[in-house]
Amino acid sequence: GQNIDQPTEMTATEGAIVQINCTYQTSGFNGLFWYQQHAGEAPTFLSYNVLDGLEEKGRFSSFLSRSKGYSYLLLKELQMKDSASYLCASPFSGGYNKLIFGAGTRLAVHP
Amino acid sequence: DTAVSQTPKYLVTQMGNDKSIKCEQNLGHDTMYWYKQDSKKFLKIMFSYNNKELIINETVPNRFSPKSPDKAHLNLHINSLELGDSAVYFCASSLGQGAGGYTFGSGTRLTVV
Repeated sequence: GQNIDQPTEMTATEGAIVQINCTYQTSGFNGLFWYQQHAGEAPTFLSYNVLDGLEEKGRFSSFLSRSKGYSYLLLKELQMKDSASYLCASPFSGGYNKLIFGAGTRLAVHP
Repeated sequence: DTAVSQTPKYLVTQMGNDKSIKCEQNLGHDTMYWYKQDSKKFLKIMFSYNNKELIINETVPNRFSPKSPDKAHLNLHINSLELGDSAVYFCASSLGQGAGGYTFGSGTRLTVV
């Protein structure tokens, strides 16, 4: 199957750290993407993990464990502008790219 | 200088009408996509084109007909619009398999009344 699961909503406080989890059941695994989508806007690419481990990009880091079918997005030093939906996505294994998206986690950052 | 531009941004139309959404990318990408985002915010792939050739047609009703005149353009024509077609439609593009990520357009909010 190609199910991708992530929590529907999360809340956090400005300045804090938040971890958004994603689990997937995709045969022929081909990497895991994270996208950010502000309300009414287009999704924007955050990260792509294909190997196990943590990849850091400034305040955002993404982790992957292929054996567990698990990824997380870590956001540090939260800012109000980080309030958005965070979408976990994985490519279809059958050939050309066909990203399957999770429903997204809506993150609300409070002062 | 917009990388992936789609028009119109908003489209309100009556049931039964035919409408088109246009998409253009100036990134030199060779793969383009149409995704539909429904009210529950799921992004679902509809079509994928690589160098003007249809690669993926995700069991979309044949009222939806994509057209790619060249690799920088992928338009979407919808016949006989239904209420259930109301959604946000996103165009996207990528280089090859897309390991570098997709670049999405700003979306077209279609409302069928």
